[in-house]
Amino acid sequence: ETGVTQSPTHLIKTRGQQVTLRCSSQSGHNTVSWYQQALGQGPQFIFQYYREEENGRGNFPPRFSGLQFPNYSSELNVNALELDDSALYLCASSLGVGGPNEQYFGPGTRLTVT
Amino acid sequence: AQSVSQHNHHVILSEAASLELGCNYSYGGTVNLFWYVQYPGQHLQLLLKYFSGDPLVKGIKGFEAEFIKSKFSFNLRKPSVQWSDTAEYFCAVNARIFGNEKLTFGTGTRLTIIP
Repeated sequence: ETGVTQSPTHLIKTRGQQVTLRCSSQSGHNTVSWYQQALGQGPQFIFQYYREEENGRGNFPPRFSGLQFPNYSSELNVNALELDDSALYLCASSLGVGGPNEQYFGPGTRLTVT
Repeated sequence: AQSVSQHNHHVILSEAASLELGCNYSYGGTVNLFWYVQYPGQHLQLLLKYFSGDPLVKGIKGFEAEFIKSKFSFNLRKPSVQWSDTAEYFCAVNARIFGNEKLTFGTGTRLTIIP
């Protein structure tokens, strides 16, 4: 059983650029959630995808968007990067929605915006 | 909206000391509760969870937590800590309603164990 994987590990971008982060869910999981963890803070929910549809969104602007593919892997896209977008971006996978589900986290992608 | 408060930002203990980390949540309905741990250089790992039933739940590495519904609390405990418990600990909650699967995290407690 493979765990959640994310790529790339680290990324440096310039303000105004666009970035795509990738996540492969744990084997058998059909739900992917994305979180932003700023330095010294707890993870903040960005959005969740279940069976390729968005299933809930946190307080993030529309320039944060996502996709889920038929194999349940997922992408997080951020347009018009701002300095405050510098953070650790975490992906978590789980099995289904509407029940007592645990989320399993990947190692994260460290994004630095200069 | 749900929220989580962790009262201790940084806790420093000697090995073999007892540990209790506070966690309070704000939500009027039924919740699922979690404690996650982030060891230095590693990803978030689930320590323990509460969904229903016995309010005293046991997790990995000797940790346990007690859900006290009347106090909206889910404190984490360990009777005797080890140096290897040095890590960041996060309490998290999600409201048990269909379509709301997001985890709301506290700001975390950094635990430093002195050998």
